Amino acid sequence: GAVVSQHPSRVICKSGTSVKIECRSLDFQATTMFWYRQFPKQSLMLMATSNEGSKATYEQGVEKDKFLINHASLTLSTLTVTSAHPEDSSFYICSAAQGERQFFGPGTRLTVL
Amino acid sequence: QKEVEQDPGPLSVPEGAIVSLNCTYSNSAFQYFMWYRQYSRKGPELLMYTYSSGNKEDGRFTAQVDKSSKYISLFIRDSQPSDSATYLCAMSGSGGSNYKLTFGKGTLLTVNP
Repeated sequence: GAVVSQHPSRVICKSGTSVKIECRSLDFQATTMFWYRQFPKQSLMLMATSNEGSKATYEQGVEKDKFLINHASLTLSTLTVTSAHPEDSSFYICSAAQGERQFFGPGTRLTVL
Repeated sequence: QKEVEQDPGPLSVPEGAIVSLNCTYSNSAFQYFMWYRQYSRKGPELLMYTYSSGNKEDGRFTAQVDKSSKYISLFIRDSQPSDSATYLCAMSGSGGSNYKLTFGKGTLLTVNP
C-alpha cells in the first residue's frame, strides 16, 4: 500500500510554455500533499504544502504565481509551472501524507529549453 | 547550526559489511523520525519510521533514536550492492503543518560486490 504516482515522469518543453505535473495517491486518501524540488546531488527542498479544498501554503522564496498548485480531490494534486524558463529545470517530487508519514512519488524531470 | 545534520559521506563498503548512517538534530519539537532510501533519478522510498527513543528492526535494517542526545542512526546488516543509494534522514513535529519534514542532506552509500 501507500503508493503515490506522478505524471509525466519526464517532460521537455520550450521556454515560455506551461507544464502541469500530476500527483496521485493510488491506494489512500491524502488531505495533505507536498511538492518538492531537488537539484543534482542535493537534498529535497520543500516548495509548498497542498491541502485538499484550500489554498496551498508556499515556502519562503517560492513564487506562488509561477508554481500553481491545485488539490481538487483527496487523491490528486497538480503543480503547474507557468511560463517555464531554463532555470526551472529540475526534478520535481510530490509526496502524500498518511498521518505523520509521507510517501513520495517517483518524481518528474523537467527540462526547459 | 542547521536543524538536521547528516554525515555527508560518501560511504563505500564491501558487500556484507555493516553500515552505520547517522543524523543529529537541534529542534526538540521533532517527534517523528524517518529514513528514506533514494535511488538515482527516483523518488525517496520510506524505509523506517520511528516515534519513540529506542531501536526498531525490520529485516536487515535497524533504526535507532536517542531523543536525549538528539541523535538517530540507521544500521544496515549484511549490506548488498542493491543497497547502494542515497539515504536521507527526515524528521517532523506533530500535528498540522508540523508534519512538514526536515531532511538531512543525504549520505551516498556504495556497496561493492
